Amino acid sequence: GNSVTQMEGPVTLSEEAFLTINCTYTATGYPSLFWYVQYPGEGLQLLLKATKADDKGSNKGFEATYRKETTSFHLEKGSVQVSDSAVYFCALSDRTGGFKTIFGAGTRLFVKA
Amino acid sequence: SQTIHQWPATLVQPVGSPLSLECTVEGTSNPNLYWYRQAAGRGLQLLFYSVGIGQISSEVPQNLSASRPQDRQFILSSKKLLLSDSGFYLCAWSVRTGNADNEQFFGPGTRLTVL
Repeated sequence: GNSVTQMEGPVTLSEEAFLTINCTYTATGYPSLFWYVQYPGEGLQLLLKATKADDKGSNKGFEATYRKETTSFHLEKGSVQVSDSAVYFCALSDRTGGFKTIFGAGTRLFVKA
Repeated sequence: SQTIHQWPATLVQPVGSPLSLECTVEGTSNPNLYWYRQAAGRGLQLLFYSVGIGQISSEVPQNLSASRPQDRQFILSSKKLLLSDSGFYLCAWSVRTGNADNEQFFGPGTRLTVL
């Protein structure tokens, strides 16, 4: 079945540091890949997505590239801010999964001033 | 524009009491609807999803149930709460199409504490 594995947190960085959160997936079909972000006490919201191999999703300075050869979708940001402190979820969806979205366990990010 | 509402925002209930959480969506028709639970420090667990009125699929056997009495209303219920039912409950919707790239839109969540 489909699954998503992302690096365990928490990740603690200083402001302006480079961020990478690793995500790998297993899927029987050709999934779409997503990163969602959850700020404290709130629901999740879509950060970025990519729908086919080699696509790059980007938003608010965050980027992730759909790598089919390594089945990965790592999240990166060149310079994090305190306001980026949140929990980040990698996710996938495909037709063989009945269009349900499978979420990773989430990675908590703390950014210190 | 579309909005999704959940209530109540927080709830403290004794073990063995009933539960009813409500979710409504505005500004769209025929959405797919989902209930997730997020335990403290954990990821999202899909509990139920629905592709139409009266159509409910259960992902995890447990003492919870879901109903969809109207197109844009999704209710999560329990007859008798357990301590393990504590968590953050999230409702979400997505556009019902044949595409796998549709994002899910989440509500603000309900924090349930069972004592």
